Amino acid sequence: EVQLVESGGALVQPGGSLRLSCAASGFTFGSYAMSWVRQAPGKGLEWVSAISGNAVTPYYADSVKGRFTISRDNSKDTVYLQMNSLRAEDTAVYYCAKDYYSGSGSFHDYWGQGTLVTVSS
Amino acid sequence: DIQMTQSPSSVSASVGDRVTITCRASQSIGNYLNWYQQKPGKAPKVLIYAASSLQSGVPSRFSGSGSGTDFTLTISSLQPEDFATYYCQQSYSTRTFGQGTKVEIK
Repeated sequence: EVQLVESGGALVQPGGSLRLSCAASGFTFGSYAMSWVRQAPGKGLEWVSAISGNAVTPYYADSVKGRFTISRDNSKDTVYLQMNSLRAEDTAVYYCAKDYYSGSGSFHDYWGQGTLVTVSS
Repeated sequence: DIQMTQSPSSVSASVGDRVTITCRASQSIGNYLNWYQQKPGKAPKVLIYAASSLQSGVPSRFSGSGSGTDFTLTISSLQPEDFATYYCQQSYSTRTFGQGTKVEIK
């Protein structure tokens, strides 16, 4: 059974940093790209970042480029999101998701339960 | 960046109704379009990928169509468990979600 478990969410002050982790199990972790998707309170979904299975290629939404860094440790079956220079608008539930390539693009076939990041003074 | 626009933002419907949600991309994305369902307090769940492929385990009352810039999600006969928010997502260039469509009880 595929499981994705996020951790690291917390209350942090504007300008601060936080690192989220997502521990994966139930599949061959290094064979799949992974993504982070966030959802601000009462708002829609926003794709944040993705990383290829071999960790060579990261991708970012413009809203986080230069502030967030995605990485992964395939020996630990874990993907990370390092978030720096946090702003109030980064307040959201952050979901980790497994990517599946279908031949016509990709989609998120499994999701974690989410971890809440609150940026406030 | 590719922008995704869904309509309507919300729809009120009754059990048994046919419901159609549209999604428009700001440029052609081929069939690189996914649909997700999200219920309150839960993670999203993929329904349709590659515009028209039904994800395993998803009821056949859900269907998707379209290519290029215009796409449609159809629920052929709305069931009580289908009241939720639906999102489209393009995977042609990085990823972008539409703003969501809330399907509410009439």
